[in-house]
Amino acid sequence: LAKTTQPPSMEAYEGQEVNVSCSHTNIATSEYIYWYRQVPHQGPQFIIQGYKDYVVNEVASLFISADRKLSTLSLPWVSLRDAAVYYCIVTDGGYNQGKLIFGQGTKLSIKP
Amino acid sequence: EAAVTQSPRNKVAVTGGKVTLSCNQTNNHNNMYWYRQDTGHGLRLIHYSYGAGSTEKGDIPDGYKASRPSQENFSLILELATPSQTSVYFCASGDKEGLGGRRDTQYFGPGTRLLVL
Repeated sequence: LAKTTQPPSMEAYEGQEVNVSCSHTNIATSEYIYWYRQVPHQGPQFIIQGYKDYVVNEVASLFISADRKLSTLSLPWVSLRDAAVYYCIVTDGGYNQGKLIFGQGTKLSIKP
Repeated sequence: EAAVTQSPRNKVAVTGGKVTLSCNQTNNHNNMYWYRQDTGHGLRLIHYSYGAGSTEKGDIPDGYKASRPSQENFSLILELATPSQTSVYFCASGDKEGLGGRRDTQYFGPGTRLLVL
């Protein structure tokens, strides 16, 4: 399974767009990129997943570099509710029975 | 939205005692997982299951057993609890989605805080 590298922490003001980067230099062709977030005292929550190019949903967007070694999670117009630890995970999903390996994640702090 | 519940939400146990953590999911997912999370660490996989009657070892299974008596229920058992097992435990369920069944999003419960004295 590929290892991921994220910045340990980030800060932003309410209303800003936040971009969280994730490096996965050894990603395999069978692997997908997932992003989860965890607010204090709750379990992780799925945000978005992708394989290549650009993916968008109602919560966030995900840009994946052409060589798939770097991905960026973009959160538009963050609010205090977006303060959480964001985890980037790379997994081959069905071929590995969905095992997720969580790293340290990126702790996002939001200032009012 | 998928629903995963855990009980108890908080538990205090004594060293050497038996502890059972329960998880229930109403999503009819085949796969279920038990993780633990310690301060300053990400989640680590303890046991998982592909369906009723199956259990598999995760990355840190020592000191833990698991039981999957039905599609909906997955238990984590600490036969002889130790202080090193003090942690927050999360259960999750998930299943393959999409073309080829290769995508697997997991849905997590709220967690159980376990303190072993």
